[in-house]
Amino acid sequence: QVQLQESGPGVVKPSETLSLTCTVSGASISSYFWTWIRQPPGKGLEWIGNMDDSGNTNYDPSLHSRVTISADTSKNQFSLKLTFVTAADAAVYYCARDFGSGYHYYFDSWGQGTLVTVSS
Amino acid sequence: DIQMTQSPSSLSASVGDRVTITCRASQSISTYLNWYLQKPGKAPKVLIYDVSSLQSGVPSRFTGSGSGTDFNITISSLQPEDFATYYCQQSFTTPRTFGQGTKVEIK
Repeated sequence: QVQLQESGPGVVKPSETLSLTCTVSGASISSYFWTWIRQPPGKGLEWIGNMDDSGNTNYDPSLHSRVTISADTSKNQFSLKLTFVTAADAAVYYCARDFGSGYHYYFDSWGQGTLVTVSS
Repeated sequence: DIQMTQSPSSLSASVGDRVTITCRASQSISTYLNWYLQKPGKAPKVLIYDVSSLQSGVPSRFTGSGSGTDFNITISSLQPEDFATYYCQQSFTTPRTFGQGTKVEIK
């Protein structure tokens, strides 16, 4: 069974960089696609970006200039960095596996989510 | 970006009711449409992928249909554990986009 666990600071100062890590067990990150999704308080789900099994990345255009997703295969982890955060970046951040092939992808395994607050 | 629009945004129903939620895409996404359920304070979980394929362990009272731009999820007989928020999501292209959610509440 695939398990994912997000970790990182729960509070980030405005204009600083949000950094989160997702630790994966039960599957190799080199064999699947991996995704970051966020959910502002009381709102819906927002796709941030993903990384494929070759390390190629795709990002939401509205965040593209500020976001980086990368992998550490030695630790079976992938990470999210979001620069120059504002109050609008406060959310629960989820990591998930983007499972499938061709166009047939869906998020089949999720972390429990981690709340990030933006505050000085 | 492909916009996903769900209707209604919320609904009230009773245990045993038949419930249908609609999702419309701003352009054709063929059959690359998934449905998720989210309970308060929990991560979403996938119910249906590729329009109508039931994820392992999901009860058969959930069914999905549609193609192109218009899709539905139907719960044939609403159970107490089904009161939650439902999201559709397209995987036709990136950015992968979600509907705004439909909250199913107890009448």
